[in-house]
Amino acid sequence: DTEVTQTPKHLVMGMTNKKSLKCEQHMGHRAMYWYKQKAKKPPELMFVYSYEKLSINESVPSRFSPECPNSSLLNLHLHALQPEDSALYLCASSPGGGYGYTFGSGTRLTVV
Amino acid sequence: GQNIDQPTEMTATEGAIVQINCTYQTSGFNGLFWYQQHAGEAPTFLSYNVLDGLEEKGRFSSFLSRSKGYSYLLLKELQMKDSASYLCAVPPRNTDKLIFGTGTRLQVFP
Repeated sequence: DTEVTQTPKHLVMGMTNKKSLKCEQHMGHRAMYWYKQKAKKPPELMFVYSYEKLSINESVPSRFSPECPNSSLLNLHLHALQPEDSALYLCASSPGGGYGYTFGSGTRLTVV
Repeated sequence: GQNIDQPTEMTATEGAIVQINCTYQTSGFNGLFWYQQHAGEAPTFLSYNVLDGLEEKGRFSSFLSRSKGYSYLLLKELQMKDSASYLCAVPPRNTDKLIFGTGTRLQVFP
């Protein structure tokens, strides 16, 4: 299995809702990532997990809460989001060492 | 810090050749990636350069000059399906990060 799987593909949520994005990989990669991508912009790094521990938080607001339950799974918990948080959320994984990044197909999030 | 620049938009004609440039400044060089991304889809890997020179892979080639902090992606025999965004990205040394450049939207016309 050489894929990163993200669910759901599309999500619409209200500003008072709580929802979660899920990401799964079975390549044995030790590093997993969340990126946010607005239309016509490049992906922006949000979080990096290494060996199931949060190693990088790029000053992301606390309404985004990442979780890594095990080496294959990465979640992003969402609470009290704003309309400007609407974007494509991409998950990625890599073996580490600066190579071999694999991206999921993303979750298109709309906050209403 | 990192600074990775690309032209914002480019247009070209089907069958032509186009060169997309990327200049970078990064804290410790650890290779440079090129990705293709169609609208609303995930980035897909095109190439990886860590040594100076040209890497050819079918219609796509990528060049790197570490001393100049410069790379380019060369697309030959353009096809309509090549209309997409092209992203260069660098993983700064001793981090797990992958930082993307500003991205270039390429439109191929018949």
